[in-house]
Amino acid sequence: GAVVSQHPSWVICKSGTSVKIECRSLDFQATTMFWYRQFPKQSLMLMATSNEGSKATYEQGVEKDKFLINHASLTLSTLTVTSAHPEDSSFYICSAQVTGLAFFGQGTRLTVV
Amino acid sequence: KQEVTQIPAALSVPEGENLVLNCSFTDSAIYNLQWFRQDPGKGLTSLLLIQSSQREQTSGRLNASLDKSSGRSTLYIAASQPGDSATYLCAVGNQAGTALIFGKGTTLSVSS
Repeated sequence: GAVVSQHPSWVICKSGTSVKIECRSLDFQATTMFWYRQFPKQSLMLMATSNEGSKATYEQGVEKDKFLINHASLTLSTLTVTSAHPEDSSFYICSAQVTGLAFFGQGTRLTVV
Repeated sequence: KQEVTQIPAALSVPEGENLVLNCSFTDSAIYNLQWFRQDPGKGLTSLLLIQSSQREQTSGRLNASLDKSSGRSTLYIAASQPGDSATYLCAVGNQAGTALIFGKGTTLSVSS
């Protein structure tokens, strides 16, 4: 099946710094990628839809200036958490679809200290 | 707004038992439904995809059914094994190419 690679798998950063997470489709092109966030014991919640060559679409309550999304090519989308705070600590995971079947990256565990 | 509910939240069974995980959704006008497995701290592994026109899909010991009119899906796991221990997530796609809406999952523990 299709492969989505996400990097890094975990990261620890200091409060106030920025962290970039990469999501790559390895064997297919993805004009659209989805970014989700999962807090402990909670469901995956959609943060934003990343569109190649255009602006991302953010879900209600997600700050677009804090969570910067760039989808500059058909195989790469990046999520940058700017000025991270402890409450941003979470599991971030990206996804792309191929003929309706969703494939997910390995996820990134972000811890802000 | 589509909402997805999974029950039970947790389930413990001895090895060898057959079990059923339940998923319900509020809006029956779905495009597809997908079951995933998530191991602790890991990403998601797709188990089964059911299109809205289908009633069930099977893969090995797994069988997923879909009753769109009643807004329900079940994941049946036959002859459970300790390696099946994980969180199982149900996710609904409302339209082609749109993001999935997830339930909170059922955490399964199979003891040997």
